[in-house]
Formats: sequence, C-alpha cells, structure tokens
Amino acid sequence: DVKVTQSSRYLVKRTGEKVFLECVQDMDHENMFWYRQDPGLGLRLIYFSYDVKMKEKGDIPEGYSVSREKKERFSLILESASTNQTSMYLCASSTGRVGGRWNTEAFFGQGTRLTVV
Amino acid sequence: AQKVTQAQTEISVVEKEDVTLDCVYETRDTTYYLFWYKQPPSGELVFLIRRNSFDEQNEISGRYSWNFQKSTSSFNFTITASQVVDSAVYFCALSYPYNTDKLIFGTGTRLQVFP
Repeated sequence: DVKVTQSSRYLVKRTGEKVFLECVQDMDHENMFWYRQDPGLGLRLIYFSYDVKMKEKGDIPEGYSVSREKKERFSLILESASTNQTSMYLCASSTGRVGGRWNTEAFFGQGTRLTVV
Repeated sequence: AQKVTQAQTEISVVEKEDVTLDCVYETRDTTYYLFWYKQPPSGELVFLIRRNSFDEQNEISGRYSWNFQKSTSSFNFTITASQVVDSAVYFCALSYPYNTDKLIFGTGTRLQVFP
C-alpha cells in the first residue's frame, strides 16, 4: 500500500517562528503536493514538486516555501508563522505520467493541524 | 477559469436512505479529469474515482455510483442504501490544465448518516 506520512498530527507554534512540516512517501512517486484545508474553502494547493529540487507555486504560495532534496521527502516551510496560517495541512503524492497518461490519483497523508498562537 | 462547486455544505440522512452529492465544474479545457475523494474523521483523503472528459459512461461500484454529464458540467455521486460508515466529507476535484496531476477541489460536502 502507498503510504504518505506526515511527521506530526498536531502542532502549536508561536507567531514569528519558523515552522517545518515534513512529509514522506514510500512508493517512489514523482509528484508531491502540499495543500491547505480550511472550512468553507476546501483544499487549496500551496506548492507542487514534480521532481527532486523542482517546485512550482500553487494557488496560495505566499508565506510558504518548500524543499525537496530527496525524492521521498517534501517539506513545507513557514518562514515566519502567522495566525492566518492556522489550518490543516495535507501532503499528497502521485505517480506522475504513466504510459503517456497524466492525472493519476493522489494519495494523501493524514494531515497536520497547525495552530499558530 | 477553473472552478468546482459543491453547493451542498452538509447533508444528513438516516441509514439505508439513498443520497446524491452534487458537483458542478467549470473548465476551458477539452481534456480534463474529474475525481471524488472521501475524507473520514481520521483526516486522510481516500481516492474514490477518476473520470476523463471523453468517457461519459456512468460508473457503479457497489453502493456507489457516479453520473457524469458534460452537457450540464456535472459529476454527481450517489450512495445507495447509505451506512453510518459513509459519514465523511466528500470532495469533488478537477484537474488543472496542461496535463498535470494538480487538482482544484470543491469546498466539500459533509455527509452524516444516522442509525
């Protein structure tokens, strides 16, 4: 089974702290994603990575950065946490292009609920 | 613009009732994919189905069925004979343009099935 593991289920951080959210997948997937989930807004894409050291901004990248030094690991970084970044963060991975076909299904981690106080 | 609308915020039913979750999408693409995901209380989104824009056949998987209609830009999801274990938040999603695995999600519908 594909497994996407997020390092923490719950985090509480102070305003201004630098925060690292870690995600590891064990299926050699090319693509990894960070989404943010807020009530009434659904999931919104923060950043996307399609290969090691390759990244692409999603819809709401402001205040975030990412790192992908190894294929299996994708980190989301909040440079200076703010209260409006209190949210549920979901990591996902997908195979990428398979036999010429995109849009393979994504596998999600259990989420990290971050509270910034 | 790419957009997914799930107008039903929350639905409550009693066990064994049938329930339909609506999904309406907007896209400029002629080739696109639609998805449904389930998010149980544990938090992890679980993939249910992917449908490409050229395949309008309805699909049935056990108690789940999906109705894709390009003419109305809808991709509705029906659960027949609902069970308490179906209680979850359900998300409809649309692929980004230009053939990537990125998704645009709707706001989700919370389904509560009471015994």
